Amino acid sequence: NAGVTQTPKFRILKIGQSMTLQCTQDMNHNYMYWYRQDPGMGLKLIYYSVGAGITDKGEVPNGYNVSRSTTEDFPLRLELAAPSQTSVYFCASRGHGGGQLNNEQFFGPGTRLTVL
Amino acid sequence: KNQVEQSPQSLIILEGKNCTLQCNYTVSPFSNLRWYKQDTGRGPVSLTIMTFSENTKSNGRYTATLDADTKQSSLHITASQLSDSASYICVVPDGGSYIPTFGRGTSLIVHP
Repeated sequence: NAGVTQTPKFRILKIGQSMTLQCTQDMNHNYMYWYRQDPGMGLKLIYYSVGAGITDKGEVPNGYNVSRSTTEDFPLRLELAAPSQTSVYFCASRGHGGGQLNNEQFFGPGTRLTVL
Repeated sequence: KNQVEQSPQSLIILEGKNCTLQCNYTVSPFSNLRWYKQDTGRGPVSLTIMTFSENTKSNGRYTATLDADTKQSSLHITASQLSDSASYICVVPDGGSYIPTFGRGTSLIVHP
């Protein structure tokens, strides 16, 4: 199992450009999440999905969009990049069933994005 | 609003020494709490889970405690190693949803 994979690892964007951060998991997990992590700060939830075709906003969704057409993939779209979106982005997934104890999130390696 | 507070924000210790990291939470209803370790440049990885009925759980040199009455958890690291240098994050799921509440983490640096 590759687990959760993210591409690219690093990216520099100019203000106003757009890009898609890719996230794929091979664990057949229903739940997937996108977080951003700013220096010295905790993880903040951008969007999440409880299954294919279902997405919902998290704490900081402005400036981002997501889609979930398959169980495996959960891409994050930045339409008009702004310097405030400079951050490290993590994708995560978790299984379903097994009650609350089955809530371990598996994280990807992250994408470091800089907007200049 | 559910909150998870961690202390200290950062900690520097010498190799071989012990240390204790703290986590206070106000998440309700409470069922369990996880500690994650995040190495520099990597995503977090789960270290251990503490359920409502557990007081202490060990995972090698890591020992987690939970006091559900005072809503506090601690992570004790024994005989620290250079590889323990990382951020340690306390996470409490919102009992009724799929959304966990993350603490800001404690950054631990172990010096030789």
